[in-house]
Amino acid sequence: DAGVTQSPTHLIKTRGQHVTLRCSPISGHKSVSWYQQVLGQGPQFIFQYYEKEERGRGNFPDRFSARQFPNYSSELNVNALLLGDSALYLCASSFRESNQPQHFGDGTRLSIL
Amino acid sequence: AQKITQTQPGMFVQEKEAVTLDCTYDTSDQSYGLFWYKQPSSGEMIFLIYQGSYDEQNATEGRYSLNFQKARKSANLVISASQLGDSAMYFCAMRVPGSNYQLIWGAGTKLIIKP
Repeated sequence: DAGVTQSPTHLIKTRGQHVTLRCSPISGHKSVSWYQQVLGQGPQFIFQYYEKEERGRGNFPDRFSARQFPNYSSELNVNALLLGDSALYLCASSFRESNQPQHFGDGTRLSIL
Repeated sequence: AQKITQTQPGMFVQEKEAVTLDCTYDTSDQSYGLFWYKQPSSGEMIFLIYQGSYDEQNATEGRYSLNFQKARKSANLVISASQLGDSAMYFCAMRVPGSNYQLIWGAGTKLIIKP
C-alpha cells in the first residue's frame, strides 16, 4: 500500500508569494495533520483535519490555511510568504482522531528567497 | 500544559552497543499515547514505537523497546545492538485528547553511531 505522499518535494519561492502544498493520506485514513519543522527543531503543529472538518489549529498566523477534500487528501496554503516560513512541511495521516500513530510523508522542503 | 522534554541534544554510541534515549512528558490527561520517531538526514519522519497510557506492558518492536515508567512520566527509547544506520535524529512525541490529538514534540536527540 502507498504511504503518505506529498507534493512537491522541494519548492523555492520569494517573499510575498503564496504556496500550495498537497498531501494524499494512506488509503483508509481519514485524519490529516500538517506540521512545520524549522531546521534544527522539532515539528510544530499547524492544522488537523478529520472527515473534512478542521479539528485543531496551532499557533500560526492567518496566512496559513488548509482544507481537506472528500477523498481525504489535503492542501496547505500559505500566503504572503516570509523568510521565516522556510522549513520542512510534513503531512501525517491516521485512521481517525485517537492516540494511534500518525504516519508521515517525506515532506515538502520550502525555501523562501 | 502538555510538554515533552528530551534532555540529550546529542549522543555518541559505539556500534553494537545498546543506547537509551531519554524522554519525560507532562500531561493532566489520563489517556494519552507516546511515540518515538526517527528522522534521518534525508528528512522523512519514520514511526518506530508506540505506548498507550493504559498499556501495562512495555512496547517492543524488533530492536526498539520503550521503557515506560508512568509514575515518573518517562518513556525512554532503548535501541539494542546499535547499527550505523541508526544514526539520525530521534523525537519523542505525545498525543492527548485534550489537545485534539495533535502530536506534541520534544526537541529531539541527535544519535551518532561510531564504527
